[in-house]
Amino acid sequence: EPEVTQTPSHQVTQMGQEVILRCVPISNHLYFYWYRQILGQKVEFLVSFYNNEISEKSEIFDDQFSVERPDGSNFTLKIRSTKLEDSAMYFCASSVGGSYNEQFFGPGTRLTVL
Amino acid sequence: GESVGLHLPTLSVQEGDNSIINCAYSNSASDYFIWYKQESGKGPQFIIDIRSNMDKRQGQRVTVLLNKTVKHLSLQIAATQPGDSAVYFCAEGRDKIIFGKGTRLHILP
Repeated sequence: EPEVTQTPSHQVTQMGQEVILRCVPISNHLYFYWYRQILGQKVEFLVSFYNNEISEKSEIFDDQFSVERPDGSNFTLKIRSTKLEDSAMYFCASSVGGSYNEQFFGPGTRLTVL
Repeated sequence: GESVGLHLPTLSVQEGDNSIINCAYSNSASDYFIWYKQESGKGPQFIIDIRSNMDKRQGQRVTVLLNKTVKHLSLQIAATQPGDSAVYFCAEGRDKIIFGKGTRLHILP
C-alpha cells in the first residue's frame, strides 16, 4: 500500500540554524500539507500546498517557514532560523483531492532544537 | 476557543468490550468530521469520517455518531482489541484539519 514517507526521522539542530524536513507524498496525490505536534499536545495545521503554491497557512507559519516542491516527488518544509519552541514532531500529509478527501499522514520527523 | 475537543484525556476499557470516545465541537458551520488514531511514534491514521448531512456512519468495527443539535460526535469501537490501544483524535475541516486534544485508550486484559 502506498504511503507518505519522511526523512529524517529525527533531526537535532542548534538554535538559529536552518533545517529542511523532507517528505515524499503518495505519487498520485496533488494536495500536500504540513502539521506539527508539540510533545503531549494536539496536532496543529501549518500549511497546505496545491498546484505549486500555498493554499492556506496558519499563524504559526510565519516568515521563518517556507515550503517547496522542488521536483515531482519531494515536498519540503524549511525553517530558516530555528527557535527552541520549534521543537516538535512535524508531519507531512497528502491527499488525492482537496476538500473532503482523506489526508494520509507520514510517520513524522522529530525536530529537537537545542 | 477550541473548535473541537474531547471529553476525557484517558479511557480504560476491558478487552472485548465496546469503547466509546466522545467529542464536542463549537462551530455550527462545521460540515466534515474525522476520527484519527495515533499509535506511539507514528503519524495520525484515518479511521472514519462523516459529513454533517449524516448522523451515523459505520466502518469495520467502528461507528461514528454525529449529533448536530448538541454539537457532539462519538466514536464507537466494537469488541476492543489490544491493537486498538492508541490516542484517538476527533478533528474537523474539509481542507485544513483542526484536531482536538486526544483521548488515550488503554485496553485492560
